[in-house]
Amino acid sequence: AQSVTQLGSHVSVSEGALVLLRCNYSSSVPPYLFWYVQYPNQGLQLLLKYTTGATLVKGINGFEAEFKKSETSFHLTKPSAHMSDAAEYFCAVLKRGSGGSNYKLTFGKGTLLTVNP
Amino acid sequence: NAGVTQTPKFQVLKTGQSMTLQCAQDMNHEYMSWYRQDPGMGLRLIHYSVGAGITDQGEVPNGYNVSRSTTEDFPLRLLSAAPSQTSVYFCASSRFPSTDTQYFGPGTRLTVL
Repeated sequence: AQSVTQLGSHVSVSEGALVLLRCNYSSSVPPYLFWYVQYPNQGLQLLLKYTTGATLVKGINGFEAEFKKSETSFHLTKPSAHMSDAAEYFCAVLKRGSGGSNYKLTFGKGTLLTVNP
Repeated sequence: NAGVTQTPKFQVLKTGQSMTLQCAQDMNHEYMSWYRQDPGMGLRLIHYSVGAGITDQGEVPNGYNVSRSTTEDFPLRLLSAAPSQTSVYFCASSRFPSTDTQYFGPGTRLTVL
């Protein structure tokens, strides 16, 4: 079974500080991994994804994440936080469904990022 | 393109009432899904569809029905609403297979009294 654990339901940083949001996954096969962002009262938007190839993935708005198979992690980082980064962030792993041809995203519980001036 | 649209944005129901949440996409995506979002629970998959005429259950399907008669539309039906179904519901779509980016609608906030 595949699952996702996000460490820390709430992270608070100062503007200009490093952002680090942690995500660990469990998977019996090589995973496909995603980070989504949700701004207040909106749907989710894709930040970045890892499917195959380079393990350091760059996304929108200056975010990046590194797939580390040995640590089963896919942590999200940004060197310098901006006020506009305040949002909820979700890590997700793609799970193969029944029948072998269907795929389902399993989401972590989310991490709320606040950015202090 | 309008992307993924959902109606209504807000809805209040009484226990036992039925209703349909509408979802439509204009991107010709084969894969569509419904999630519910509850505080501290993340998003949980209710039902999904890999194409017209094909649907399957997700993690929390009880109390919900879906059908997919066209590529564009994927309505979610609550047969007999219960307070436990109070939640925010999101519809999403992507090209198939779903390693592609999922595009989310703006959500429907449902309250069941």
